[in-house]
Amino acid sequence: NAGVMQNPRHLVRRRGQEARLRCSPMKGHSHVYWYRQLPEEGLKFMVYLQKENIIDESGMPKERFSAEFPKEGPSILRIQQVVRGDSAAYFCASSPTQGLWAFFGQGTRLTVV
Amino acid sequence: DAKTTQPNSMESNEEEPVHLPCNHSTISGTDYIHWYRQLPSQGPEYVIHGLTSNVNNRMASLAIAEDRKSSTLILHRATLRDAAVYYCILRDGSNFGNEKLTFGTGTRLTIIP
Repeated sequence: NAGVMQNPRHLVRRRGQEARLRCSPMKGHSHVYWYRQLPEEGLKFMVYLQKENIIDESGMPKERFSAEFPKEGPSILRIQQVVRGDSAAYFCASSPTQGLWAFFGQGTRLTVV
Repeated sequence: DAKTTQPNSMESNEEEPVHLPCNHSTISGTDYIHWYRQLPSQGPEYVIHGLTSNVNNRMASLAIAEDRKSSTLILHRATLRDAAVYYCILRDGSNFGNEKLTFGTGTRLTIIP
């Protein structure tokens, strides 16, 4: 049973470009969470999704950031018109409906140049 | 979210037990105490969780104070691979299935060979 898969592991974007981060949850998991970790800081919750639904987006920046978890395929975190301050590690986690804890992926490290 | 307080850093000698403390004086009756750790350049990893009673698993033990206002994660025999940032997190058990986590700054554990 593969763990939570994130790709790419490293992503370099120029200022103004779009970044697309993908997350495939563990098999049988229907809940996905995205977190951001700025350099030398702790992880901050961004958004919680279930299939085709955004449950809690209280941690998402109001502009340029969006997330989806379609019926088929991976969850996508999209950052439009990236700026240097978006450089961070982005982690995805998943859990089953009756789960007691979350499983994290290895993260995508976004660098904006 | 209820807040936890942990020391910023701790050191321990290899092959000795490690006791990582956590204070959570505002814990509510439905809050579970979760511990995750983050190894360098990796995503967080679930370690253990408990509600009222002490818990043991293959990774660690969790000792919970009788008044639940504090807890201690115990690594019985630390190895170099246990060097990580350890996060103590309160998770609302009344919101079953929602694994949204609020990370603090954690304790950076250094293992001395």
